[in-house]
Amino acid sequence: QQPVQSPQAVILREGEDAVINCSSSKALYSVHWYRQKHGEAPVFLMILLKGGEQKGHEKISASFNEKKQQSSLYLTASQLSYSGTYFCGTPDLTGTASKLTFGTGTRLQVTL
Amino acid sequence: DTEVTQTPKHLVMGMTNKKSLKCEQHMGHRAMYWYKQKAKKPPELMFVYSYEKLSINESVPSRFSPECPNSSLLNLHLHALQPEDSALYLCASSQGRDPYKDEQYFGPGTRLTVT
Repeated sequence: QQPVQSPQAVILREGEDAVINCSSSKALYSVHWYRQKHGEAPVFLMILLKGGEQKGHEKISASFNEKKQQSSLYLTASQLSYSGTYFCGTPDLTGTASKLTFGTGTRLQVTL
Repeated sequence: DTEVTQTPKHLVMGMTNKKSLKCEQHMGHRAMYWYKQKAKKPPELMFVYSYEKLSINESVPSRFSPECPNSSLLNLHLHALQPEDSALYLCASSQGRDPYKDEQYFGPGTRLTVT
C-alpha cells in the first residue's frame, strides 16, 4: 500500500524551515527519501533504518518512528535549490529483489 | 561514475509501432528497475531484475516486455501500446545487496508519447 505524505504542497521563503511527513499502514524496516526536480530524475536523499541507522545527505535530517510507522524529513534554512517534489519510499523484500513503493509526494517551492 | 543513462530522451510512436527503450549503468549494480511515472504522480514500479533475472513483474500488460542482456544493460520493448501508456519511463539501479539499505540511482527517463 502506498505511503501517505503530508502536506501535499508547501511554499516557503528562502531561509524558512519545513517538515514533510510520511505515514505507512504497514510495519517498516526502513524509509527512503528522494527529491525530484521538475523534468528531472528522482535523486536519493537518505535512508533511515530501524534501530536508528541513517545513510545519506549530510545537510538534511530526518526521523523514523518505527512504532508509529512514520518518518519525517526536516528541511532547515531552505534554499532555492530545495524546490522540487519529495517522495518517501518503503521497500518490500520479494524473493531476492526489493520493491520500493513511493509515497504520494510533497511539492515544495522555495521563493525569494 | 554514478550515472544511469537512458535512450532515447523522447519517443513518439503510433499504436502499431514496435520500439525499445534502453538503459545502461556501469556502477556494478546487480539490481535494475523500470518505473512508469505519470504527471504529478510518484513513480510506479513495473519490473525488477536481480542478477539478470526477472524478479518482480507488477502485473504489467504484455505489450511491455523487459529484457536484461547483461548486468549493465536493461531494455524495455514496446509493442501495440495505447495512448494511456504515454508517460515518463524511468530506469534505476541499485547494488542489489540489501534492499532495505540500497539506494536507487535513476536515469533521466524517456518521455514516451503514444499517438
